[in-house]
Amino acid sequence: AQTVTQSQPEMSVQEAETVTLSCTYDTSENNYYLFWYKQPPSRQMILVIRQEAYKQQNATENRFSVNFQKAAKSFSLKISDSQLGDTAMYFCAFILTSGTYKYIFGTGTRLKVLA
Amino acid sequence: EADIYQTPRYLVIGTGKKITLECSQTMGHDKMYWYQQDPGMELHLIHYSYGVNSTEKGDLSSESTVSRIRTEHFPLTLESARPSHTSQYLCASTASSGITGELFFGEGSRLTVL
Repeated sequence: AQTVTQSQPEMSVQEAETVTLSCTYDTSENNYYLFWYKQPPSRQMILVIRQEAYKQQNATENRFSVNFQKAAKSFSLKISDSQLGDTAMYFCAFILTSGTYKYIFGTGTRLKVLA
Repeated sequence: EADIYQTPRYLVIGTGKKITLECSQTMGHDKMYWYQQDPGMELHLIHYSYGVNSTEKGDLSSESTVSRIRTEHFPLTLESARPSHTSQYLCASTASSGITGELFFGEGSRLTVL
């Protein structure tokens, strides 16, 4: 069975600083997608960044980047130049590219950006 | 921008009432999901559907039921609401034929049962 673990329930960072959110996962499969989702307070869950497991290059989206270590089954999210609008719950998620199409979510990390 | 809509956004009802939470998407996605989430907490999959007339129970046992008569519509029903059903319910969808695997979420329905 696949699992996703986020070991940091809460984090805070000063505005303009950099923060890294941790995520580890477990699977015996080789082909899958990994995602980071953002859920601002009382607002819609949106995709921040995604990574295909077959790609060695780490995904980046503006201020957001990942450190994907396939052998270590690690998928951390780095937020650079943190902004107040980055305050949210962040969920790491995993899905196999074949099979049941059931997404596995971590328990989330609550990030607060301080002014 | 995601085209997935949930109504009502907020609902306060008394114990024993029947409620239906609506979820519709205009993206033609074949796969749809319902998650239950207490505020600021993790998501629990309660139902999913891989297409019309296909529904399955998720990992968290739920007294709710779902139907999928049309591709775009995936309503969730509670026949007799109880205070323990108080939670936020998130609907989501994705296309199995897509190349991104991205899951699109609605804004959620926050249910309070008195």
